[in-house]
Amino acid sequence: DAGITQSPRHKVTETGTPVTLRCHQTENHRYMYWYRQDPGHGLRLIHYSYGVKDTDKGEVSDGYSVSRSKTEDFLLTLESATSSQTSVYFCAISDDRVTQYFGPGTRLLVL
Amino acid sequence: AQSVTQPDIHITVSEGASLELRCNYSYGATPYLFWYVQSPGQGLQLLLKYFSGDTLVQGIKGFEAEFKRSQSSFNLRKPSVHWSDAAEYFCAVGSGGNEKLTFGTGTRLTIIP
Repeated sequence: DAGITQSPRHKVTETGTPVTLRCHQTENHRYMYWYRQDPGHGLRLIHYSYGVKDTDKGEVSDGYSVSRSKTEDFLLTLESATSSQTSVYFCAISDDRVTQYFGPGTRLLVL
Repeated sequence: AQSVTQPDIHITVSEGASLELRCNYSYGATPYLFWYVQSPGQGLQLLLKYFSGDTLVQGIKGFEAEFKRSQSSFNLRKPSVHWSDAAEYFCAVGSGGNEKLTFGTGTRLTIIP
């Protein structure tokens, strides 16, 4: 399995609170991704990174921001969490820009 | 725009029986195709992928998939399922140079003794 960890694994927060999720990799892969998984929607791309300090938006980026200051870390921030952001969040990494390997996920509940 | 359809939301199979999970894609050029498996509470594990070449690809855990361009399909098969295969299976399509992997909505597989 690819060396990907996500923290925290579970989080409960309140509406309006900022939340930061962390993805850490030990594979030195250039590309990193954040997805959310919701019933009936499969996985949807939030943001991705193609290198340190290089990021771009995915299909569901509203309400989310990301940062990548080191190759191994990719942070996802919900500036002001809303109930619609209750979801399971997955980080993925890639070295060929095509094949993606996924982390274990973070379950986020926004009350 | 690329898209993926997994027509079966839920499939139940007896242990030892054969399995086929369907995946249809829509994409203008030759796609990159993937199958992932997700056990409850876990992340997605890559089972196999198709980029080019032989249209029958072998994956981990005894799975295989066949790319059929004429049918825009990439069905996943296993000759004999085990109870440990119970999980959710996702088909995905992507392209080189494009960050977007498009996933189907998944097929949940239940195995009965």
